[in-house]
Amino acid sequence: KQEVTQIPAALSVPEGENLVLNCSFTDSAIYNLQWFRQDPGKGLTSLLLIQSSQREQTSGRLNASLDKSSGRSTLYIAASQPGDSATYLCAVPQGGSEKLVFGKGTKLTVNP
Amino acid sequence: KAGVTQTPRYLIKTRGQQVTLSCSPISGHRSVSWYQQTPGQGLQFLFEYFSETQRNKGNFPGRFSGRQFSNSRSEMNVSTLELGDSALYLCASSLEGQGLGQPQHFGDGTRLSIL
Repeated sequence: KQEVTQIPAALSVPEGENLVLNCSFTDSAIYNLQWFRQDPGKGLTSLLLIQSSQREQTSGRLNASLDKSSGRSTLYIAASQPGDSATYLCAVPQGGSEKLVFGKGTKLTVNP
Repeated sequence: KAGVTQTPRYLIKTRGQQVTLSCSPISGHRSVSWYQQTPGQGLQFLFEYFSETQRNKGNFPGRFSGRQFSNSRSEMNVSTLELGDSALYLCASSLEGQGLGQPQHFGDGTRLSIL
């Protein structure tokens, strides 16, 4: 059974700092890994999807890496801004299905 | 291109009632999944529909059911509501199914409160 863990559960940083969010999963036989952002009271916004054959993906100030063999992914946010404050979730598909298994998320606060 | 649309955004019900939530996927997406999000349990998978067929199901009681129409729109129904059903219900759609590497896109959810 796939389990996903995110550390830390919460993170508070000053504006402008570079930061790393961590995600680990127990079953390395994954097709892909997806990072999402969730603002309070809202749904999930897809940030990056890394296929199992890739090692990293970049979108603007965001860079996600994937190490399947060690069961880990990181989301790097450069030059953080107050607008980056949100909960960040990572998710992997269960087996070959569309069922996503989510971590509990990291709540990020960027202070101006 | 319109995103995933969920209606209604908010619902208040009492114990014992039933409720129907609706989800319209992104145009062209045929896979629709439903998730329940609570502060204690996080995001939990309910079920997934593809071409009007339920393809995957999570560990929820039979009070939770769903269906998908020929235009890929989906509904989920919860009968005999309990206080513990209070949650944010999220719908996601994707272009293809069976873990072929397509990203899933989520709606803003329906906030269900049970009194």
